[in-house]
Amino acid sequence: QQQVKQSPQSLIVQKGGIPIINCAYENTAFDYFPWYQQFPGKGPALLIAIRPDVSEKKEGRFTISFNKSAKQFSLHIMDSQPGDSATYFCAAPRGGYNTDKLIFGTGTRLQVFP
Amino acid sequence: DAGITQSPRHKVTETGTPVTLRCHQTENHRYMYWYRQDPGHGLRLIHYSYGVKDTDKGEVSDGYSVSRSKTEDFLLTLESATSSQTSVYFCAISASNQPQHFGDGTRLSIL
Repeated sequence: QQQVKQSPQSLIVQKGGIPIINCAYENTAFDYFPWYQQFPGKGPALLIAIRPDVSEKKEGRFTISFNKSAKQFSLHIMDSQPGDSATYFCAAPRGGYNTDKLIFGTGTRLQVFP
Repeated sequence: DAGITQSPRHKVTETGTPVTLRCHQTENHRYMYWYRQDPGHGLRLIHYSYGVKDTDKGEVSDGYSVSRSKTEDFLLTLESATSSQTSVYFCAISASNQPQHFGDGTRLSIL
């Protein structure tokens, strides 16, 4: 039972572009939204996370924007680089806490060409 | 890295055989998780543990069992492997109120 819907499935941009990945959720009990980055052969690594009491959070070139009324959150990568090529997952914990069971989106494969 | 070791990293086995995957942590974290990753499904939680001998089911627990007899080890067992259990399995750990950190996975093929 998918409760976090992620799009697009894949994304190709040129270096310097701003890829945007979107996630929509249904369960209003979700209270913490992490994004994970995964390189081939590696496990997912926490990239950035947001709580719905803020509308935007930036960490370096990565920004999460949050729209509580639309139940959507998005990842923007500013000035994208070939090293950003990876698969990105959004997630939400069922009970709203970091340690709760995470529900993942289906992932977005990003390719950044020089 | 978060001090998580998964073993084996790769395994090929036959349908009907038992398989045990091991997750070992050196962080002394309370919470441990097993996920499977399949194309088109993202990561799905199989089982998790919130302490020694305390475990609970995730969203895809059928056909899997777990055990945690020590804080540092969390074992995932497929009692009788089926081809539908071919997947990449990830272990994750977390401390209280902290994000989950993942190991590098075990690629399991069941023929």
